[in-house]
Parts: sequence; C-alpha cells; structure tokens
Amino acid sequence: NAGVMQNPRHLVRRRGQEARLRCSPMKGHSHVYWYRQLPEEGLKFMVYLQKENIIDESGMPKERFSAEFPKEGPSILRIQQVVRGDSAAYFCASSPPGGYGSSTDTQYFGPGTRLTVL
Amino acid sequence: SQQGEEDPQALSIQEGENATMNCSYKTSINNLQWYRQNSGRGLVHLILIRSNEREKHSGRLRVTLDTSKKSSSLLITASRAADTASYFCATVPYSSASKIIFGSGTRLSIRP
Repeated sequence: NAGVMQNPRHLVRRRGQEARLRCSPMKGHSHVYWYRQLPEEGLKFMVYLQKENIIDESGMPKERFSAEFPKEGPSILRIQQVVRGDSAAYFCASSPPGGYGSSTDTQYFGPGTRLTVL
Repeated sequence: SQQGEEDPQALSIQEGENATMNCSYKTSINNLQWYRQNSGRGLVHLILIRSNEREKHSGRLRVTLDTSKKSSSLLITASRAADTASYFCATVPYSSASKIIFGSGTRLSIRP
C-alpha cells in the first residue's frame, strides 16, 4: 500500500521558468492538500482540493500559483514565472473521504518536492 | 499571528532523558496534532488529541491538552538518538476544519 507519492523530489528552475509539482494521493484518498515549508519554518497551508474541485485556496498566492486535482491522474501544483522567493519544500498530503470536519483528522504526507530557483 | 507556536524552539538533551515540548494556539480548535520531521524528509503523524480530550498516550509519547489555556505539551520519555528531529504541533480550527495550521516547530537533538 504505497503512501503519498510526490515527484520530482528535487526541482531546479531558473527565474521566469515554470515549475510543475505532482502528487499522487494514497489509494482510496480523495482529499489532497498542498503546503509550503520555508527553511527553518513550519508548513504553511496553501490549498485543499477534492477531485475536480478546489475547496479552500485561502493560502495560495493570488498570482502565478495554481492547483488542480483532475478526475484522473495526480494533483498538480503549478508555479509560473518562478522567483527566488519560491524556493522551498512543497509537501502534499492526502486524507480519506469523510464528512466535513473529519477529512482532516489525519493527513498523510508525501516526502515533498524541494524547489530551488536559481 | 501564527496559530500553534512551539516552545522551546530548540532543545538538546542527553539520551535517556525525557523531552518536553509545548505548544500554544490562539483560536478554538477541533483537534490538535503532533508531527515529527526528520531533516530533509516529510512529516510523520505522531498523535491526535481532540478538543474534548485532556491526555493521550502512544508508546513513549504523552500529549496533554488544556483548552482553557489554549496549550498542549508533548512528552517523549526515555529519549533515543533516533528521536532527533523537528516536532511540530498543528491545529485544526473550528472556523475552518479543512486545513491544518502548523507551528514553527521545536528542533530536538538527542546527545548520545
């Protein structure tokens, strides 16, 4: 039973390029969350998605960042025109389906993608 | 201001000693969780305590929750070198039960 998968594990981009981060949730999980972690800091919530729907994107920067979780395939976090400040570890988590309030009881985290912007 | 602030920021103890980390938060919560993160790795869920619970145990871990003081503590007994990691408390607020809010963590070092 594979855990949450993220790829790539490391990603290097030059300023102005696009970064695409992928997350495959655990089998049977329909809720996906993206977090960003700056060095020496805790994780900051970015977005919460269910299949084909964005439920809460209150932590997403207004520009350049977007996320999707299509009916088929992994969830994608896309960062356009990356800047040095985007360098961070991006973690995806998933949880099983459940009622409102129960879906976040335990989130299972992937190993993260470390983005470096040169 | 940040929900879930850990104290201390860094802690270094001798192997075999107990380690206590504290967490304070600001808003009403649905539950509080503790996670461990080894350097450069993902997070591992340790324990969840609900707002109507006061204490919970899991192996060498003991978590307490005081909702009147909006604080929690994580105790690791008989520490081992493998416990060296960063520990984060995370809260699920009533106002938005769809996300977890993490503190900035306590970096625990166990000296052999």
